[in-house]
Amino acid sequence: GAVVSQHPSWVICKSGTSVKIECRSLDFQATTMFWYRQFPKQSLMLMATSNEGSKATYEQGVEKDKFLINHASLTLSTLTVTSAHPEDSSFYICSATPSWTSGQTGDTQYFGPGTRLTVL
Amino acid sequence: QKEVEQDPGPLSVPEGAIVSLNCTYSNSAFQYFMWYRQYSRKGPELLMYTYSSGNKEDGRFTAQVDKSSKYISLFIRDSQPSDSATYLCAGAVQGAQKLVFGQGTRLTINP
Repeated sequence: GAVVSQHPSWVICKSGTSVKIECRSLDFQATTMFWYRQFPKQSLMLMATSNEGSKATYEQGVEKDKFLINHASLTLSTLTVTSAHPEDSSFYICSATPSWTSGQTGDTQYFGPGTRLTVL
Repeated sequence: QKEVEQDPGPLSVPEGAIVSLNCTYSNSAFQYFMWYRQYSRKGPELLMYTYSSGNKEDGRFTAQVDKSSKYISLFIRDSQPSDSATYLCAGAVQGAQKLVFGQGTRLTINP
């Protein structure tokens, strides 16, 4: 149980185009979903936290107009990288917290397999 | 200063060896400490979870937290080639959902 999927797993796009990445909780409803970015040989950096039906909360330094997050349902969140540039090339990972937990004990985030974005 | 510091390695050991992975952290408010395993091009999976100070054992894995020195460790006994992965430590404040990760240590177990 508690499986999170991401689509696509790998995407290549041209500079200036927009890319949408989907994050789905397959067998549970997710109160909260998180989006992380991971550069090669570096750690996961939280980009934003989103709750179903409300606006995402972005971490300091993350451009909300560039990284659009939509959490339209309890099982789906999307991240759209608008006007992508080569420096946006990274591994994007989402995680989800089941609705049956408070999400406040640190062990309740289930991670997706990640999406590798390459911007040419 | 990063909130969680971790030696990125790489660390290479022979099969069967005991592996010690370590992190230090600076946020005194951290109460929850996690170790995640991440295989190449995959998302992290939770390996060990500890609340406050103390030890926790699960099979070949032991997690230790020393809040007085802000030091967390993961020990792997009888290491196997399948343990080869990047290991990430993370801390979290009680009542908050945000996880703060270390850089990750790339571990290779040689047959």
